Amino acid sequence: DAGVIQSPRHEVTEMGQEVTLRCKPISGHDYLFWYRQTMMRGLELLIYFNNNVPIDDSGMPEDRFSAKMPNASFSTLKIQPSEPRDSAVYFCASNPGGGYGYTFGSGTRLTVV
Amino acid sequence: AQSVTQLDSHVSVSEGTPVLLRCNYSSSYSPSLFWYVQHPNKGLQLLLKYTSAATLVKGINGFEAEFKKSETSFHLTKPSAHMSDAAEYFCVVSVIYTDKLIFGTGTRLQVFP
Repeated sequence: DAGVIQSPRHEVTEMGQEVTLRCKPISGHDYLFWYRQTMMRGLELLIYFNNNVPIDDSGMPEDRFSAKMPNASFSTLKIQPSEPRDSAVYFCASNPGGGYGYTFGSGTRLTVV
Repeated sequence: AQSVTQLDSHVSVSEGTPVLLRCNYSSSYSPSLFWYVQHPNKGLQLLLKYTSAATLVKGINGFEAEFKKSETSFHLTKPSAHMSDAAEYFCVVSVIYTDKLIFGTGTRLQVFP
């Protein structure tokens, strides 16, 4: 199994531009999570899906952030327009449910200048 | 509400000496608890998990943790530190009836030769 695959690994963009982060979960995992990690705030849960349906998006910081999961093998996190304070490492994780721990992707390091 | 508190933000040990990373939890229910490790510029890897079976849980790379209900603790230990253990360690609790994970603030482990 290739694990959770995120792309790109690094993204540098200018303020105001649209940014799209991508995630492919492990096949058969029903849950998919998006986290953001910063020095100041640590790991924050942004949103999670169960069977492609968004369950809890209370962690999405504002309307500039949106996430979709069109099918069981693909999810996107979009920021439009991006701002310098969005600079962080964004992690995607999946799990099969039932109290098992997550498997994390390698993350996308986003820098907004 | 469930939460975890990591009692030390930094721990420094010499190679070959024991490691103790402390974590206290708060939960109204019997919790599922996890330890994750994050090496520099890497994703998060599951070290071990407790899900109400044996109170002493063995994980990868020689780590283990003991669930102590009377002390509401889930401390991570290793008998002999290795240079490769230098990383950030996160204590994590699963939110009841969901598959959401709540992360502690992390403990940075330094290992000196």
